[in-house]
Amino acid sequence: GIQVEQSPPDLILQEGANSTLRCNFSDSVNNLQWFHQNPWGQLINLFYIPSGTKQNGRLSATTVATERYSLLYISSSQTTDSGVYFCAWGGNTGGFKTIFGAGTRLFVKA
Amino acid sequence: GAGVSQSPSNKVTEKGKDVELRCDPISGHTALYWYRQSLGQGLEFLIYFQGNSAPDKSGLPSDRFSAERTGGSVSTLTIQRTQQEDSAVYLCASSSRPRNTEAFFGQGTRLTVV
Repeated sequence: GIQVEQSPPDLILQEGANSTLRCNFSDSVNNLQWFHQNPWGQLINLFYIPSGTKQNGRLSATTVATERYSLLYISSSQTTDSGVYFCAWGGNTGGFKTIFGAGTRLFVKA
Repeated sequence: GAGVSQSPSNKVTEKGKDVELRCDPISGHTALYWYRQSLGQGLEFLIYFQGNSAPDKSGLPSDRFSAERTGGSVSTLTIQRTQQEDSAVYLCASSSRPRNTEAFFGQGTRLTVV
């Protein structure tokens, strides 16, 4: 089946530090999203990025579809960035469902 | 509506009872998904609806689980004869098209089977 792998699984940062989260996928991509799940469980849309690069404030994301990976950059991390970051893949195989990675659990220390 | 709405937010039920979870997608969104998230885990796909097409039920874990989508809008996920392992957060998402579009999630229903 289609594999969506995220790394690292866990990450602890000091406030102000930068980090890169990675999402590898095993099949060609039509739809790639990054979500942040906050401590209350709500999934917040960060980026819809099947290819290219986007930036939103301290966050940016890049998807290299030909090499089957996506990166999420967090700069100048804040305690409110804590939570779980999921990437979600959608493609032409495996039906229409979106397949989620297992997530990266981030904790930012004050 | 402005966003995906799910109800109830929390549901506690006794083992063996049936439960119904509701999802009201964003107005005009034709694609609707149900996922399940167990404590500390990732998201597990359950079922997908697109317009009037037959739903993709490939993720339903057992025949105790079923879902309907009436009039192409509101969806109901039904779990019969609930078991303790059904305890999880059930998340619904919708998107404007089945592919190449952004999906938006509701706040989820936290189901606890005691």
